[in-house]
Amino acid sequence: SQTIHQWPATLVQPVGSPLSLECTVEGTSNPNLYWYRQAAGRGLQLLFYSVGIGQISSEVPQNLSASRPQDRQFILSSKKLLLSDSGFYLCAWKTTSGLTDTQYFGPGTRLTVL
Amino acid sequence: DAKTTQPTSMDCAEGRAANLPCNHSTISGNEYVYWYRQIHSQGPQYIIHGLKNNETNEMASLIITEDRKSSTLILPHATLRDTAVYYCIVRGRMDSNYQLIWGAGTKLIIKP
Repeated sequence: SQTIHQWPATLVQPVGSPLSLECTVEGTSNPNLYWYRQAAGRGLQLLFYSVGIGQISSEVPQNLSASRPQDRQFILSSKKLLLSDSGFYLCAWKTTSGLTDTQYFGPGTRLTVL
Repeated sequence: DAKTTQPTSMDCAEGRAANLPCNHSTISGNEYVYWYRQIHSQGPQYIIHGLKNNETNEMASLIITEDRKSSTLILPHATLRDTAVYYCIVRGRMDSNYQLIWGAGTKLIIKP
């Protein structure tokens, strides 16, 4: 069966510090991968998605970036965090076979920027 | 913008059926309706999806109207653990690809 991991679970960082969040998927090959952010009490905002190694599409201009160095690894980064980067970051995967868009989510990372 | 409309919140008594409505009047003929839920501070959990026919699995039933402009998620015997935010989603076009567009969802509170 497929599993998705995210770490760390929680993170407190000062403004201006760098960020690296990691997501890995097991039990599937060539998945589509997604990074979402969720502000308190709000729905999910798609930040980045990837259809393959080295292929990244950005949905929202910001100081965040994403990379996919391996088929089942997706990394969210920032060189300098802003207060507005605080939120709940979620990674998700989707199979590229079949006709549906069902996405499966990781446990999330709660980021607080102080 | 989200392509679905849901009530902001709902209450349901424990043991009763919870019926969560969703309007998606602009849905296209080949777009599926998806339902997810998110328990506080956890990642969203996939529940069910459907295209035209009603669907049922071990978690819930999905009833889609004949014109496909609305649907209802049914939790047949709600428990306290079903308290969560429930999202109804259809695909939307973002950039050059189609993605799931998430709204604010319905906060369902199961009361003892």
